Amino acid sequence: AQSVTQLDSQVPVFEEAPVELRCNYSSSVSVYLFWYVQYPNQGLQLLLKYLSGSTLVESINGFEAEFNKSQTSFHLRKPSVHISDTAEYFCAVTRTSGTYKYIFGTGTRLKVLA
Amino acid sequence: EAQVTQNPRYLITVTGKKLTVTCSQNMNHEYMSWYRQDPGLGLRQIYYSMNVEVTDKGDVPEGYKVSRKEKRNFPLILESPSPNQTSLYFCATAGGVGSTEAFFGQGTRLTVV
Repeated sequence: AQSVTQLDSQVPVFEEAPVELRCNYSSSVSVYLFWYVQYPNQGLQLLLKYLSGSTLVESINGFEAEFNKSQTSFHLRKPSVHISDTAEYFCAVTRTSGTYKYIFGTGTRLKVLA
Repeated sequence: EAQVTQNPRYLITVTGKKLTVTCSQNMNHEYMSWYRQDPGLGLRQIYYSMNVEVTDKGDVPEGYKVSRKEKRNFPLILESPSPNQTSLYFCATAGGVGSTEAFFGQGTRLTVV
């Protein structure tokens, strides 16, 4: 079985400051990893994903995440946040065998302060 | 445009009154699922379907039913809603060619009084 842990339920940060949202996972089989973002009153949107290859993956809006197999982590970072980044962020995993069952963390609410 | 469409977006109902939340996708995905989102608990899977006429329980199936009579639709049925089913519900699809991620609907906020 897989599990995902997001230790920080809320992260307040000032605009233009860097931020890191932490995600750790547990799995006995190989997995794909994802970060989803949920803006208020909206569904989840894919932010970025790690499938294989380079352990550093980037999104089009400046976020990046690094897959660390030894630490079973997939932390999300942004060097300079904007007010518009205020949202809830979910880390998720799914087995590479194509079962399409996604396990989500409990979410981290990022609040960017002016 | 690729879409997962849920209806209704908001629903207030009374205990025991049967309701259906619809989900439709235009991406020809084989896999569809329902999640509920509750504060502090993240998303928990209710039911999923790997293909037409193939459905199975997720992690929190009690009090829910689903059906998959055609590929594009996957309705969620609450036969006798109770207040503990007040939640935000999401339909998701996956399984497109060359795709690994899930695609989500806009959500249905259900309140059972």
